[in-house]
Amino acid sequence: GNSVTQMEGPVTLSEEAFLTINCTYTATGYPSLFWYVQYPGEGLQLLLKATKADDKGSNKGFEATYRKETTSFHLEKGSVQVSDSAVYFCALSEAGGTSYGKLTFGQGTILTVHP
Amino acid sequence: GAVVSQHPSRVICKSGTSVKIECRSLDFQATTMFWYRQFPKQSLMLMATSNEGSKATYEQGVEKDKFLINHASLTLSTLTVTSAHPEDSSFYICSARGTSGGMITQYFGPGTRLTVL
Repeated sequence: GNSVTQMEGPVTLSEEAFLTINCTYTATGYPSLFWYVQYPGEGLQLLLKATKADDKGSNKGFEATYRKETTSFHLEKGSVQVSDSAVYFCALSEAGGTSYGKLTFGQGTILTVHP
Repeated sequence: GAVVSQHPSRVICKSGTSVKIECRSLDFQATTMFWYRQFPKQSLMLMATSNEGSKATYEQGVEKDKFLINHASLTLSTLTVTSAHPEDSSFYICSARGTSGGMITQYFGPGTRLTVL
């Protein structure tokens, strides 16, 4: 079956530090890959996505590249802000068919950014 | 933009009672609703998928008689936890998928914290 593995947190950084959250996956076929963010007290929000190999998703300074050869989708940001403090989830969805829309999530990584 | 709401946001109930959680898509028609469960410090686990007007499809290990799902309209799905027990205490999150502005969209609700005493 499908699975997503994220680096364990929590991750604590100072403002303007570089961020990497690792994510690797196992899937049959050619899944779409996502990063979701969950701010305190709020629901999950889609941060970025990539639907095929070598695609780069980007949003709000975050980016991640779909690497089929390493089955990875690592999240990066060059300079984090306090407002980026949240829980980040890597997820995949099988492309097409009846599974489309069903997401398999990683365990989530808590990010705390200090001023 | 499109928003998905859940009600209630928090509920505390006694063991043996039933609890209903509503999930609404506010400005788009959700042809598919997904219900997830999130344990503390763990990932979201898909419980079931429901298409409007059809019976829900449950994931392996999820008791369909315990977690009743109804998706009677394109804007509302409900999850009823029947005869709740303390082990059912969890964070329940819905996700609505449909079209908005001609594009396929999928949004998550803010979640419902269920505590069973």
